[in-house]
Amino acid sequence: DAGVTQSPTHLIKTRGQQVTLRCSPKSGHDTVSWYQQALGQGPQFIFQYYEEEERQRGNFPDRFSGHQFPNYSSELNVNALLLGDSALYLCASSSQGEGGYGYTFGSGTRLTVV
Amino acid sequence: GQQLNQSPQSMFIQEGEDVSMNCTSSSIFNTWLWYKQEPGEGPVLLIALYKAGELTSNGRLTAQFGITRKDSFLNISASIPSDVGIYFCAGPLYNTDKLIFGTGTRLQVFP
Repeated sequence: DAGVTQSPTHLIKTRGQQVTLRCSPKSGHDTVSWYQQALGQGPQFIFQYYEEEERQRGNFPDRFSGHQFPNYSSELNVNALLLGDSALYLCASSSQGEGGYGYTFGSGTRLTVV
Repeated sequence: GQQLNQSPQSMFIQEGEDVSMNCTSSSIFNTWLWYKQEPGEGPVLLIALYKAGELTSNGRLTAQFGITRKDSFLNISASIPSDVGIYFCAGPLYNTDKLIFGTGTRLQVFP
């Protein structure tokens, strides 16, 4: 039973560029949430997708956007990259309404902005 | 962003010792979660607590939901080298799936 799959595992981008990160949820899960984890910090909630719509959002600028596809997989897009966007980006999947109890996290994508 | 405060920030202990860590918040939570994160991996759920005063165990791990609902505690008994990692508390904001994470406690176990 595959868990949450994220790609790529590592990425290096230049300031001002755009990046797309991908996530496939655990089998049976229909909700995908994205978190940003800066070095030495706990994860910070970016947003959550369910039924192909953004349902909840954290305190992140509009440069951060996402998408969910009919097969429940999701993408996180970040435009106009800043050095401060360097972080581990985690995808978490759950069944709708059970995220607080049943999140399964992926191993993350390590983004470095230079 | 909002975070829960965890202490201690880091711990260096010898194999076999017991470990205690805690998590505090200025806000009430109705659920407390404890996660462990190892290098290069995402957080893995260890224990979930749903009721004030609740005490729940998972093997050598025991966690408690504070009576005030503003804190939680995690104990690890007879630590072993594979306990190494960062332990995070977390809780969902009221009526949402948005998890707020703590600042983390880094645990190192020496043989």
